[in-house]
Amino acid sequence: AQKITQTQPGMFVQEKEAVTLDCTYDTSDPSYGLFWYKQPSSGEMIFLIYQGSYDQQNATEGRYSLNFQKARKSANLVISASQLGDSAMYFCAMREAPDSWGKLQFGAGTQVVVTP
Amino acid sequence: GAVVSQHPSWVICKSGTSVKIECRSLDFQATTMFWYRQFPKQSLMLMATSNEGSKATYEQGVEKDKFLINHASLTLSTLTVTSAHPEDSSFYICSAPGQGSRDSPLHFGNGTRLTVT
Repeated sequence: AQKITQTQPGMFVQEKEAVTLDCTYDTSDPSYGLFWYKQPSSGEMIFLIYQGSYDQQNATEGRYSLNFQKARKSANLVISASQLGDSAMYFCAMREAPDSWGKLQFGAGTQVVVTP
Repeated sequence: GAVVSQHPSWVICKSGTSVKIECRSLDFQATTMFWYRQFPKQSLMLMATSNEGSKATYEQGVEKDKFLINHASLTLSTLTVTSAHPEDSSFYICSAPGQGSRDSPLHFGNGTRLTVT
């Protein structure tokens, strides 16, 4: 069963606008972590932001913020003031407690294209 | 920050040959390394987990005899694609857990684009 669901295969956003990328997850584990990564066309994986299941506040990192709704099991990424360099594939990922040091399960990704 | 160096960044090989991909943790010790595979426009799929000094753990459906993983030291893990075929053409990327808390993000290599002709 798919554990991470990203329903938006692709999105266009205008420069300087904000964009929200959706991510829902499925786990029965009370302890888990949620990550967002950016993958430009060159292929490297760039870590953006992390949210732990027990964190009381939504995570923020510069222009990135995470809208964490635990009851809905959603962890949407918000990119504010989009820049042309934000054009990339964005992946939501989850780490569950039994794999605490380890592996991430990734969603299908959302391709973001920022237009001038 | 922690850096994972992956080589080569791209490789083209003939069908039937073997290809070795190396991942090194440059400024930290990686007792565990994760190997992912990514087809174009698709997500990253975990292939296997390598552990220093012990056998790798393969995900369901991944042929362990085809994708040989060796984790010979605390800083080096290798993936060898044996008897490569065109369907093995893909993007392979390694990652290692960061030091510190379990909440640390994985540190990824830059990936290897394999093309089998």
